[in-house]
Amino acid sequence: QTVVTQEPSLTVSPGGTVTLTCASSTGAVTSGYYPNWFQQKPGQAPRALIYSTTNKHPWTPARFSGSLLGGKAALTLSGVQPEDEAEYYCLLYSGGALIFGGGTKVTVL
Amino acid sequence: EVQLVNSGGGLVQPGGSLKLSCAGSGFSFSGSSMNWVRQAPGKGLEWVGRIRSTANNYATEYGASVKGKFTISRDDSKNTAYLQMNSLKSEDTAVYYCATGDALDIWGQGTMVTVSS
Repeated sequence: QTVVTQEPSLTVSPGGTVTLTCASSTGAVTSGYYPNWFQQKPGQAPRALIYSTTNKHPWTPARFSGSLLGGKAALTLSGVQPEDEAEYYCLLYSGGALIFGGGTKVTVL
Repeated sequence: EVQLVNSGGGLVQPGGSLKLSCAGSGFSFSGSSMNWVRQAPGKGLEWVGRIRSTANNYATEYGASVKGKFTISRDDSKNTAYLQMNSLKSEDTAVYYCATGDALDIWGQGTMVTVSS
């Protein structure tokens, strides 16, 4: 079964930029994996941020962007705000199933 | 307001069954696929499965860990999706969320399922 891997944790300064990545055990992530990104804060349900690699939902702040980078899906946060501190999950479509990555804890410090 | 409301969670003994519900409002429920996602305490998200819309013949897909044990259904006349869980084990203990659409746009608040004797 496909395993989706994310960085366990990343730290970024307020106003800085951080890139999270999402890799597949089956090989390079392409647009055909329809990468999605979600944000989850403690005690809350996840919130959708990015779908199909680069597309933003109406509520997604402009500072969040999705891309493909070096064979992985990527989520870039530019001009990080304190409220961006959260867990971030990617989701890939592979072999007829959806598979979440293990999540990246982003600390704003 | 677009909304999903989860219900039906609780304490169940190992080997037991439980049926969760997810009621939608404020959007075209019948035209949307419905996903179930769970999160064990202190752990990450796990996709459980989904049921597609009538346009896709209500096709269902499941994650490997629940295939053959869980069943997803829907009643579009009630704008409600269901997750029937059988042969429950302690490792099924989690918060269960429903989420709508192929992009899992909107999420319910989740309902806690605890499998314990």
